[in-house]
Amino acid sequence: QITLKESGPTLVTPKQTLTLTCTFSGFSLSTDGVAVGWIRQPPGKALEWLGLVYWNDDKRYSPSLKSRLSITTDTSKNQVVLTVTNVGPVDTATYFCARGAPFGSGWIDFWGPGARVTVSS
Amino acid sequence: DIQVTQSPSTLSASVGDRVSITCRASRSISTWLAWYQQKPGKAPKVLIYDASTLESGVPSRFSGTGSGTEFTLTISSLQPDDFATYYCQQYLNYPLTFGQGTKLDNK
Repeated sequence: QITLKESGPTLVTPKQTLTLTCTFSGFSLSTDGVAVGWIRQPPGKALEWLGLVYWNDDKRYSPSLKSRLSITTDTSKNQVVLTVTNVGPVDTATYFCARGAPFGSGWIDFWGPGARVTVSS
Repeated sequence: DIQVTQSPSTLSASVGDRVSITCRASRSISTWLAWYQQKPGKAPKVLIYDASTLESGVPSRFSGTGSGTEFTLTISSLQPDDFATYYCQQYLNYPLTFGQGTKLDNK
């Protein structure tokens, strides 16, 4: 059974760094073709893709956020970490981690339940 | 970036209706398109990938067609569980992009 779950702070102060951890089970990020990514959704708005990491550590980021994003992995712990620096109110959103369908080129077959993050002083 | 635009933004329909949602890409994406269903407070769920392949376990009343720049998600006979928001997503290249969503509500 494949599961993913996001964890991290629910409230972040403006200009600080947001760190979210995705802990997954039922698959390995060491397996060829596997990818884990992050998507966010501001309240009442559409989904926004942030970035992903492949099994071979190749990483892709949204160009509009690339300067503030970082995705790292801990394969031994089955974790993928998203870091967003210098956050502002526009970063208030539910953050989802998700698995890219193996060799599926970018569609998502499993999602975590989401972590709601508010940026406010 | 490849933009994907959905229409309509809101669709009112009744149980038993046949409904269609359109997704248009700003340039050709072949069949690199997926459709998701999202209910309030929940994560999206994939319905269709590669424009027309039904994900395992998804009811056959859902279908996807199209290639190039124009795609359609059709629900052949709307069921009570289908009232939700639907998103398309292109994955021809990065950044991956989603449509703005279509909210399907009960007329």
